[in-house]
Amino acid sequence: NAGVMQNPRHLVRRRGQEARLRCSPMKGHSHVYWYRQLPEEGLKFMVYLQKENIIDESGMPKERFSAEFPKEGPSILRIQQVVRGDSAAYFCASSPIPGQGISSNQPQHFGDGTRLSIL
Amino acid sequence: KNQVEQSPQSLIILEGKNCTLQCNYTVSPFSNLRWYKQDTGRGPVSLTIMTFSENTKSNGRYTATLDADTKQSSLHITASQLSDSASYICVVSANNAGNMLTFGGGTRLMVKP
Repeated sequence: NAGVMQNPRHLVRRRGQEARLRCSPMKGHSHVYWYRQLPEEGLKFMVYLQKENIIDESGMPKERFSAEFPKEGPSILRIQQVVRGDSAAYFCASSPIPGQGISSNQPQHFGDGTRLSIL
Repeated sequence: KNQVEQSPQSLIILEGKNCTLQCNYTVSPFSNLRWYKQDTGRGPVSLTIMTFSENTKSNGRYTATLDADTKQSSLHITASQLSDSASYICVVSANNAGNMLTFGGGTRLMVKP
């Protein structure tokens, strides 16, 4: 998993606080994807971003969650007013070209995730 | 609704033995199928990726098969090692605009000495 860097690895927040998760894609990758993995469950797609654009956010909860991938710097997944149900592992993946498009069979490269715990 | 079902949910085998993990999917139209290995506390790592025209693909002791007609795939692990203990995830990509990957729930494999 070297290359896709996520931080922090572990994050503890109290209910009502904000959580900010960061993802730096592999060098040369301009497509970033966020996934959530609840305990004992599979990964669920949340959002797909290119630099400065949200391409697909169909997996994002309608409230409290937002994501960005600015021209400079890492991609940020932001969760406002966290609740206990937000406790999960959040994974970021990157691709050099659209990993979820018909033109590519490139495997997405995953980071090691941020484990968010809500007290 | 696109779905990926994996079986078994968990599996325990002895070191040196072979095993086969199953994946059934209903994703349509199909683009490709990937198997990932996820160690505890780590992100998934790609093992194989197969398109519609590929029936089998190997990566060391891992061999994946694909039957696009029956929409089934398998991952065969030969001569298992303790380090094979992990979750194995089947992921299917649909061939349409704005598609997303559909993840199976994974098979938790434990290899015992």
